[in-house]
Amino acid sequence: DTAVSQTPKYLVTQMGNDKSIKCEQNLGHDTMYWYKQDSKKFLKIMFSYNNKELIINETVPNRFSPKSPDKAHLNLHINSLELGDSAVYFCASSQGGQGGVYGYTFGSGTRLTVV
Amino acid sequence: KQEVTQIPAALSVPEGENLVLNCSFTDSAIYNLQWFRQDPGKGLTSLLLIQSSQREQTSGRLNASLDKSSGRSTLYIAASQPGDSATYLCAVSSGTYKYIFGTGTRLKVLA
Repeated sequence: DTAVSQTPKYLVTQMGNDKSIKCEQNLGHDTMYWYKQDSKKFLKIMFSYNNKELIINETVPNRFSPKSPDKAHLNLHINSLELGDSAVYFCASSQGGQGGVYGYTFGSGTRLTVV
Repeated sequence: KQEVTQIPAALSVPEGENLVLNCSFTDSAIYNLQWFRQDPGKGLTSLLLIQSSQREQTSGRLNASLDKSSGRSTLYIAASQPGDSATYLCAVSSGTYKYIFGTGTRLKVLA
């Protein structure tokens, strides 16, 4: 019973296409995140949502549009994909913005390759 | 602006050794610090979470300490095993709604 699940796990697409990644958590957390892990394995925050409200947008190009239909879901839509978007995208959740009692729980990641 | 650094960047040790991974952060006003493990091509697995009011946490062969005033945390792994080989990441919560991650330590334990 996966706590934070992302789909798809792998995504290979051509430059210029539009794609979406979905994330769902069954932990009852009120805060969800998108992180990007680049080729050097550095993890950087992209977006934070609390109770469906956008809290952080960390200077991400507006080709990236997150959407949170409810507290348990956070999707990421990317328009006009570029080669530089190739990375692993991780979804995470927590109870509260500081991580709460259990900290952050991460999904298994979506490896996006733009060709 | 919070910055998190991990030293060493890579470490290779023989099986059975005790080892220490270091994490330092520039802003001591943190809420908590969390250690993760990442296996190649996989997601992040939480190892230990230390709240700002705590000094250490233990789980099995792992012990993490926190010294907020000096901006440091250490992850101690006792009696290392080949299965411990992975990248270890520390992350701090120093504001709301985001963790700042360190650069990671790639550990290899040789059989």
